[in-house]
Amino acid sequence: GQQVMQIPQYQHVQEGEDFTTYCNSSTTLSNIQWYKQRPGGHPVFLIQLVKSGEVKKQKRLTFQFGEAKKNSSLHITATQTTDVGTYFCAGGEGTYKYIFGTGTRLKVLA
Amino acid sequence: SAVISQKPSRDICQRGTSLTIQCQVDSQVTMMFWYRQQPGQSLTLIATANQGSEATYESGFVIDKFPISRPNLTFSTLTVSNMSPEDSSIYLCSVQGSAGANVLTFGAGSRLTVL
Repeated sequence: GQQVMQIPQYQHVQEGEDFTTYCNSSTTLSNIQWYKQRPGGHPVFLIQLVKSGEVKKQKRLTFQFGEAKKNSSLHITATQTTDVGTYFCAGGEGTYKYIFGTGTRLKVLA
Repeated sequence: SAVISQKPSRDICQRGTSLTIQCQVDSQVTMMFWYRQQPGQSLTLIATANQGSEATYESGFVIDKFPISRPNLTFSTLTVSNMSPEDSSIYLCSVQGSAGANVLTFGAGSRLTVL
């Protein structure tokens, strides 16, 4: 079955440093979503990418969808302590089913 | 976006017992999803629940272990049957569409610990 892997599994950064997590699917995706889960919380939607090569920005966050629609990345510029959490990509299969990636846990050191 | 209420928020259960988790949504939705998140792990889809039909289970999950009810468009339950310590997880209810076509909105989750 489809697998969605993320690297790195963990990342510790100093506040102000940049952070990137990479998401790779074993199959071509119809779209990809990104979610953030704060410690003790539930996943919260960040963004959806649909088009091949698409790039979207949300303030300090930049999301990319690969040309082959099998990989994606999330880059955070100048991390802040509020960025702490686990970031999951979720690969879309068809219209409603999503396979979540393995997640990257980000810790920001003040 | 939809507001989802799940209960219980947490519970400690004895091996061999069953527990039913309730999920209430503040708007009508076609599909409701049940996910499991084992400690420190990602989310795994257990099943998709449509009103008026049997739930569709993902590979590795069976109805006898995780029976699901969907009596109307705003409510669903997931039962974890004959629990073992391996069932200790967070169980999350989710719906789609209220915040965008395919966007998933999650409940706060139900943290189960099986002794």
